[in-house]
Amino acid sequence: AQSVTQLGSHVSVSEGALVLLRCNYSSSVPPYLFWYVQYPNQGLQLLLKYTSAATLVKGINDFEAEFKKSETSFHLTKPSAHMSDAAEYFCAVRNFNKFYFGSGTKLNVKP
Amino acid sequence: DVKVTQSSRYLVKRTGEKVFLECVQDMDHENMFWYRQDPGLGLRLIYFSYDVKMKEKGDIPEGYSVSREKKERFSLILESASTNQTSMYLCASTSTGTANTEAFFGQGTRLTVV
Repeated sequence: AQSVTQLGSHVSVSEGALVLLRCNYSSSVPPYLFWYVQYPNQGLQLLLKYTSAATLVKGINDFEAEFKKSETSFHLTKPSAHMSDAAEYFCAVRNFNKFYFGSGTKLNVKP
Repeated sequence: DVKVTQSSRYLVKRTGEKVFLECVQDMDHENMFWYRQDPGLGLRLIYFSYDVKMKEKGDIPEGYSVSREKKERFSLILESASTNQTSMYLCASTSTGTANTEAFFGQGTRLTVV
């Protein structure tokens, strides 16, 4: 069975600080992993995805994620938070043609 | 620019009404999904369609049905709306061919049942 766990439903950082959003997955097959961002009253937009070409994946807006098979993790990071990063973030795994989402992490950025 | 379009951003319906949520994609994707999003629960799959006229129940299909008569269109139907179906509904689509292709989402429909 596939599942995704996001630790921390709310994360708060100061502007300019490091952002770290955690995602752990369980998958019986090599995983296809994704991070999405959702702004209020919007759909989900793709931030980045793991394609097995490289363990460190770079996405839009300076976000990146590192795939660690031994830890079954795919944590999202950004070196310096910006006010515009305040949103909800979802980690997802694809198995065949279905997607399984974590419960989401709301990021608050303080001035 | 690829697009998944949901027919309404906001809807208010009365208890007992039959409600139709429409979704159209222009990417020729085989697979389409309806999710429900509630605070703290993430996205929960209601129904999934992998081809025209083909559908599969997701995790929370009770009280919902779907229709896919054409490849580009996937409709979610609330047979008799209830207040506990007040939620954000998200439609998505993806292709079958490449396993690491992402899901593309519509802008969401916020449904309120009064």
